[in-house]
Amino acid sequence: AQSVTQLDSHVSVSEGTPVLLRCNYSSSYSPSLFWYVQHPNKGLQLLLKYTSAATLVKGINGFEAEFKKSETSFHLTKPSAHMSDAAEYFCVVSGGQFYFGTGTSLTVIP
Amino acid sequence: DAGITQSPRYKITETGRQVTLMCHQTWSHSYMFWYRQDLGHGLRLIYYSAAADITDKGEVPDGYVVSRSKTENFPLTLESATRSQTSVYFCASARTGRGDTQYFGPGTRLTVL
Repeated sequence: AQSVTQLDSHVSVSEGTPVLLRCNYSSSYSPSLFWYVQHPNKGLQLLLKYTSAATLVKGINGFEAEFKKSETSFHLTKPSAHMSDAAEYFCVVSGGQFYFGTGTSLTVIP
Repeated sequence: DAGITQSPRYKITETGRQVTLMCHQTWSHSYMFWYRQDLGHGLRLIYYSAAADITDKGEVPDGYVVSRSKTENFPLTLESATRSQTSVYFCASARTGRGDTQYFGPGTRLTVL
């Protein structure tokens, strides 16, 4: 069975500081993993995707995520937060269908 | 490249009325999906379609009907709307399968009074 847990429902960072959004997954086989971002009143936009190639995945807008099989984690990071990064972020594990995390709301403080 | 569009973007209706939400994609993706997003529940799959004339239930299909006569369109109908169907509805498409990368539309905010 597949599932995903986003460990923080809310994260606040100051502009210019690093961002860390945590995601743990459960999968009975090698999964595909995704991060999506949802800005207010918008649809979900794909940030990045892991499909068993390189374990460090680079996405759009300076985000990246590292797949760690031993820790069953797929945390999303960004070195320096920008005001435009304020949004809801969803971690997704794919095992024949999408399993969504409950989301992490990122606030960026000016 | 229009991608995936939804209409209307906002809809207010009354209990008992029939409502149809439209979804159109220009990529010729095989798979299409309907989700609803509610506070405390995240995104939940209502229905999906693997191809024209092939549809299947998701996690929360009760009260909804779908059809897919053309690859590019996937309308969602609430035959008799209820207040519990007040939600934001997202359509998505994927090229080859349910586990493939999904691309989402902008959403329709539906309010049932």
